[in-house]
Amino acid sequence: QVELQESGPGLVKPSETLSLTCTVSGGSMTSYYWSWIRQPPGKGLEWIGYIYYSGGTSYNPSLKSRVTIAVDTSKNQFSLKLSSVTAADTAVYYCARVNPIAVEPFDYWGQGTLVTVSS
Amino acid sequence: DIQMTQSPSSLSASVGDRVSITCRASQSISTYLNWYQQKPGKAPKLLIYGASSLQSGVPSRFRGSGSGTDFTLTISSLQPEDFATYYCQQTYSSLTFGGGTKVEIK
Repeated sequence: QVELQESGPGLVKPSETLSLTCTVSGGSMTSYYWSWIRQPPGKGLEWIGYIYYSGGTSYNPSLKSRVTIAVDTSKNQFSLKLSSVTAADTAVYYCARVNPIAVEPFDYWGQGTLVTVSS
Repeated sequence: DIQMTQSPSSLSASVGDRVSITCRASQSISTYLNWYQQKPGKAPKLLIYGASSLQSGVPSRFRGSGSGTDFTLTISSLQPEDFATYYCQQTYSSLTFGGGTKVEIK
């Protein structure tokens, strides 16, 4: 059974960089895309971006200038960096596996981690 | 960008009711449409992929239909564990989620 677990600071200061890691267990990262999604408190889901196990990336155009997603298959981890954060970036951040079938559904999710942007 | 519009944004229903949620895309997305269920404090769970394929382990009372721009998620007989928020997601061009539909107890 594939499991994903997000980790990282729960509090980030405005203008700084948010950094999170997702650790994958119970399966290989090979041949899959891996994604980050966020959800502001009380609001809907927003896709941030995803990375292929070999390193290719795709980002949400609205966040692209501030987002970097990287992968380290030797550690079974992928990461998210979001720069120049503001209070609007306060959200629960989820990592997820993208199933490689054509319609690319997100079939496994982490439990999510709340990141608050505040001084 | 492809916009996904769900309706209604919320609904109240009773156990045993048949419930339908609609998702409309701003342009044709073929069947590149997935549905998720999210309960409070939990991660979303995949229910339906490719507009109409049931994810393994999901009860058969959930049914997805549609293609092009109009899609529907139907719960044939609402159960207590189905009270949740439902999201559609398009993966045809980039990736966007609908705004969600909250299903509440009447």
